[in-house]
Amino acid sequence: QSVLTQPPSVSAAPGQKVTISCSGSSSNIGNNYVSWYQQLPGTAPKLLIYDNNKRPSGIPDRFSGSKSGTSATLGITGLQTGDEADYYCGTWDSSLSAASYVFGTGTKVTVL
Amino acid sequence: QVQLVQSGAEVKKPGASVKVSCKASGYTFTSYGISWVRQAPGQGLEWMGWISAYNGNTNYAQKLQGRVTMTTDTSTSTAYMELRSLRSDDTAVYYCARAWSSGTQFDPWGQGTLVTVSS
Repeated sequence: QSVLTQPPSVSAAPGQKVTISCSGSSSNIGNNYVSWYQQLPGTAPKLLIYDNNKRPSGIPDRFSGSKSGTSATLGITGLQTGDEADYYCGTWDSSLSAASYVFGTGTKVTVL
Repeated sequence: QVQLVQSGAEVKKPGASVKVSCKASGYTFTSYGISWVRQAPGQGLEWMGWISAYNGNTNYAQKLQGRVTMTTDTSTSTAYMELRSLRSDDTAVYYCARAWSSGTQFDPWGQGTLVTVSS
């Protein structure tokens, strides 16, 4: 099971805003940058946010990221039907003898 | 454009091995690493490990140590992931992703390779 906890699902109407939380600990989120990935149905994941709050080229500013302590949050504003997907947070974890990358449990976003 | 193209689907029997390839194009292969991530049916993402395309250094997930080997062929800009002693719970889609040196970005990802382990 993942060491990063996300809500299983969130939903909102088109045009509204949703936030997705990612809760970890000092061995992962607390001391490392967080990334967020979007996985549309039947496709490979895509990087949305890196280094807590940076957007790769081509990612609209409707997507934002933040981090505070041992938790991170992804925000999506102006929700669109095309945003229906699974979203995963990810970061490095140093609790074992060698650093390992861990993903969150995943959150399904539904546009009502 | 930067692209990772993976090999096709595989069906293996328990106890066998599988080797998945990931051919990179559109960037300097040795300037980045490659991470491998798998996703069992209906499940979340699981990081399997990372390899530096520059010097071949690897970092494997502890639960896969001893069963997984990641390699690269710089002459063809191709990364490989071999998983041995396959079990039914290794059935998953396997993805490769370009890993930036900072380790904070997996981008882009390959299209995925379905590996089915079944007797």
